[in-house]
Amino acid sequence: GAVVSQHPSRVICKSGTSVKIECRSLDFQATTMFWYRQFPKKSLMLMATSNEGSKATYEQGVEKDKFLINHASLTLSTLTVTSAHPEDSSFYICSARWGLRNEQFFGPGTRLTVL
Amino acid sequence: AQTVTQSQPEMSVQEAETVTLSCTYDTSENNYYLFWYKQPPSRQMILVIRQEAYKQQNATENRFSVNFQKAAKSFSLKISDSQLGDTAMYFCAFTAQGGSEKLVFGKGTKLTVNP
Repeated sequence: GAVVSQHPSRVICKSGTSVKIECRSLDFQATTMFWYRQFPKKSLMLMATSNEGSKATYEQGVEKDKFLINHASLTLSTLTVTSAHPEDSSFYICSARWGLRNEQFFGPGTRLTVL
Repeated sequence: AQTVTQSQPEMSVQEAETVTLSCTYDTSENNYYLFWYKQPPSRQMILVIRQEAYKQQNATENRFSVNFQKAAKSFSLKISDSQLGDTAMYFCAFTAQGGSEKLVFGKGTKLTVNP
């Protein structure tokens, strides 16, 4: 149980385009999902907390107009990188909170490359 | 604010041997959870073990066990009978019970298991 999928696993796009990444909890309902960014050989950096049916809560320094988050249902959250630039190239990981112990289960990640 | 410190950027161990990864944390909370996550080269984050702060008994999961010292705010991970598949980045993480549900990660320890 507690499986989280992420799509796509890899995406290459041109500078200026927008890219949408989907995060799904496959076998449980997740009222709260999280989006992280990870640079090579670094730890995970929390970008935002996504709550079903309400606006996401962004961490300090994360541009909410650039990284649009929508949590449309209890099993789906999306992250849209708008007007992507090469500096947005990174590994993006989502997670979903499950159970009463604040345990998070992670998706397999999306490698974004902006040319 | 909570912080998690992993003081060992890299470690190595021979196959079948035992290795201990260190983690310390700082918090004023009394009720919280601690986790060890593994990130192999595939970059999928995998939960290795969890510990509830109110439990005095150290958590164990097969070859993985923790040494939880609440007063010292220490949460080390012991891997027994190390296997080649244990080669990965290991992240220690903290979350307070209730509140924002965020996970606070350490910077990680890169563990290499040598044949």
